[in-house]
Formats: sequence, structure tokens, C-alpha cells
Amino acid sequence: EPEVTQTPSHQVTQMGQEVILRCVPISNHLYFYWYRQILGQKVEFLVSFYNNEISEKSEIFDDQFSVERPDGSNFTLKIRSTKLEDSAMYFCASSVGAGYGYTFGSGTRLTVV
Amino acid sequence: QQQVKQSPQSLIVQKGGISIINCAYENTAFDYFPWYQQFPGKGPALLIAIRPDVSEKKEGRFTISFNKSAKQFSLHIMDSQPGDSATYFCAASGRTSGSRLTFGEGTQLTVNP
Repeated sequence: EPEVTQTPSHQVTQMGQEVILRCVPISNHLYFYWYRQILGQKVEFLVSFYNNEISEKSEIFDDQFSVERPDGSNFTLKIRSTKLEDSAMYFCASSVGAGYGYTFGSGTRLTVV
Repeated sequence: QQQVKQSPQSLIVQKGGISIINCAYENTAFDYFPWYQQFPGKGPALLIAIRPDVSEKKEGRFTISFNKSAKQFSLHIMDSQPGDSATYFCAASGRTSGSRLTFGEGTQLTVNP
């Protein structure tokens, strides 16, 4: 079964540093997403990406965040200057259609110290 | 109006019993209601989903019941097994509310042997 692949599985970074989280979505999917889950809490939407541009973003996705699809396969989330409260599990997802048929990756656990 | 409310927060069921998790929504533009299963350290995995044109959908031991007038939907797990022990999230999305999935708060299910 096709998978969404995320790397790294765990990243520890110093506060104020930039991090890039990487994802390889399912190849025939057209919509790409980033979600985050703070430990023990619900999954929260960050951003959706379609046709090489952001289609929707949440209030969490401020100027510190950016997304990019640098080539035909990768989808990245960059956090410019990490804060302690950015510590969370970050999930990449992709879907065939807008808002349905999602497949999530296994996540990147980001720890900001 | 974008919220999805989920209950209970935790649920303990004996092996062979029925697990029932409930969700309620307010946004009438939602038209896709999936349930996700999440094991520790993993991403949410789609379990079963329903659209509002049907009142029930069954896949194996998992059934979604949908009440459009009450704006509620629930997951029933028949013959619950210890391997079903996980966190379950309901979610909702709609064409007119963008491509984001709005998740419930999650239910920690424990099935005792």
C-alpha cells in the first residue's frame, strides 16, 4: 500500500534554530498538508498546498513557517526560528481530492530545547 | 463553528464488548466525516468514513452511525479486541470549508483481555 514518508522521525533543535521537516507524499496525490499534534492533544491543521501554492493555512501557520515543493516528489515544512512551543509531532499528509481520502505519514517528533 | 466535539475522553471496554465513541459538529458545510485510529508514535490511519447522504456505514467490526439533523456521528466497534486499544479521532471536512480536516479531541480506548 502506498505510504507517505517523513524524515527525520525525531529531531532535536536549539531554540532559535531553523528546522526543515521533509515528506514524500503519495505520487498520484494532488493535495499536500502539514498537521501538528502537541503531546496528548488533538491533531491541528497547519497548511494545505495544491498546484504549487498554499491553498489554506491556519492561524498557527505564521510568518515563521513556510512550505515548499522543491521538486516533483518532496514536500517540506520549514520553521525559521524555533520556539519551545513548537515542540510537537508534525504530520505530513496527502490526498487525491480536497479534504478527503487523506493518508498521513508517521510523523516527525520535533523537540525544541 | 469549525469545532468537532468528541466524547468520551477515555473508554475502557472488556474484550468482546462494544465500544461507542460520539462526535458532534456545528458547521453544516461539513460533508465528509472520517474516523482515524492512532497508535503511539504513529500517524493517524483512516479507519472508516461517511458522507451525509447515508445514515450508516459498516466495514467489518466498525460502524459509523450518522444523524444529520442532530449533527452527530458515532463510531461503534463491535467485538472489541485488545489490538483495538488506541486513540480514536473523529474528523470533518467540507468542500466549502476548504481542504482542512478538523479533528475531535480524541478518545483513548483500552480493551481489557
